[in-house]
Amino acid sequence: QVQLQESGPGLVKPSETLSLTCTPSGGSIGSYYWTWIRQPPGMGLEWIGYIYHIGSANYNSSLKNRVNISIDTSKNQFSLKLSPVIATDTAVYYCARRRDFWSGLDVWGQGTSVTVSS
Amino acid sequence: DVQMTQSPSSLSASVGDRVTITCRASQGISNDLAWYQQKPGKVPKLLIYAASTLQSGVPSRFSGSGSGTDFTLTISSLQPEDVASYYCEKYNGDPLTFGGGTKVEIK
Repeated sequence: QVQLQESGPGLVKPSETLSLTCTPSGGSIGSYYWTWIRQPPGMGLEWIGYIYHIGSANYNSSLKNRVNISIDTSKNQFSLKLSPVIATDTAVYYCARRRDFWSGLDVWGQGTSVTVSS
Repeated sequence: DVQMTQSPSSLSASVGDRVTITCRASQGISNDLAWYQQKPGKVPKLLIYAASTLQSGVPSRFSGSGSGTDFTLTISSLQPEDVASYYCEKYNGDPLTFGGGTKVEIK
């Protein structure tokens, strides 16, 4: 059973770049839609964006000018960059997998907490 | 953009009760809707996709229905382990959108 693991710094200064990586273990990164979701403290889920294994990505328009999702099939991982960050980017960030466009997000990482603060 | 309105935002019910949560889309989304359960401090878990298909391993007391704009998640007999927040997600076209969530508690 594939497992996802997010990694990256837990504290980022305002105006700097948030960088997270997600690594699927026990499975290949091929042929799935790889997604980033975040959840501010005490709030609901927000879709950030996704990337297909061939590299085409789509983003939440509210973040579009600040977000980039990339994939590195040679390292079997995908990444999120958000820049410049502001305080309201403080959240738990999850990576997740969608098998195809008719399915839900069936595998989730454990989530990584990111705080934006000086 | 399609808006997803989930109701109620919270509910309290007794063990054994039938519980219904509704998600309404501002435009038709066919049956491209999923439901997730998030227990306190835990990772969201997929319950249902394609509006009514139960994800493998999910108890049969959970069911989903609906198509177009109106969708329902039903717990046929509420159990203590069902205390959680529940979210709908529309994945038909961009942007993908989550509903605001429903917090379910035991009375």
